[in-house]
Amino acid sequence: KQEVTQIPAALSVPEGENLVLNCSFTDSAIYNLQWFRQDPGKGLTSLLLIQSSQREQTSGRLNASLDKSSGRSTLYIAASQPGDSATYLCAVKLGSARQLTFGSGTQLTVLP
Amino acid sequence: GAGVSQSPSNKVTEKGKDVELRCDPISGHTALYWYRQSLGQGLEFLIYFQGNSAPDKSGLPSDRFSAERTGGSVSTLTIQRTQQEDSAVYLCASSPRQGPTLEQFFGPGTRLTVL
Repeated sequence: KQEVTQIPAALSVPEGENLVLNCSFTDSAIYNLQWFRQDPGKGLTSLLLIQSSQREQTSGRLNASLDKSSGRSTLYIAASQPGDSATYLCAVKLGSARQLTFGSGTQLTVLP
Repeated sequence: GAGVSQSPSNKVTEKGKDVELRCDPISGHTALYWYRQSLGQGLEFLIYFQGNSAPDKSGLPSDRFSAERTGGSVSTLTIQRTQQEDSAVYLCASSPRQGPTLEQFFGPGTRLTVL
């Protein structure tokens, strides 16, 4: 059974800092990995999707990397802003499965 | 274009009542998923529909839960005889059948509170 772990569970940083969120998964036979953002009381917003054949994806100040062999992904946020405050969720899709398996999320607070 | 929509956004019900939650996927998306997000459990898969194929119900927690998808589009998740532990946010997602990523797009969710 695929298990997804996110560390840390919560993170508080001052505005302007660069930061890294971590995601690890137990089954390396993934099809893809998605990073989502969730604001309080809201649904999920997809940030980046990395295919199993890719090493990284970039969108603006966000960069996600994938290392299948070690079962790890990182989400790098450059020059953090208070508007980045949210919960960030990592989810993996196994090649044999249809659904996503989610981590428990990292709650990020960027202090002005 | 329009994203995934869900209704109602909030639902408060009494223990023992039945509830129906609705999901409208993105037009043209053949795959539809229901997930549940509850405190202490995180986000967990409930059921998956793909076109006219038999749904994957492997994530449904009990036989009180059921879902249907009419005409390959709108889906309804029904919870019978609700219990307090059913309180959660129910999220729906859709994705295209084909394509390089099969990326899932999520709706805003329905927050269910069982008193």
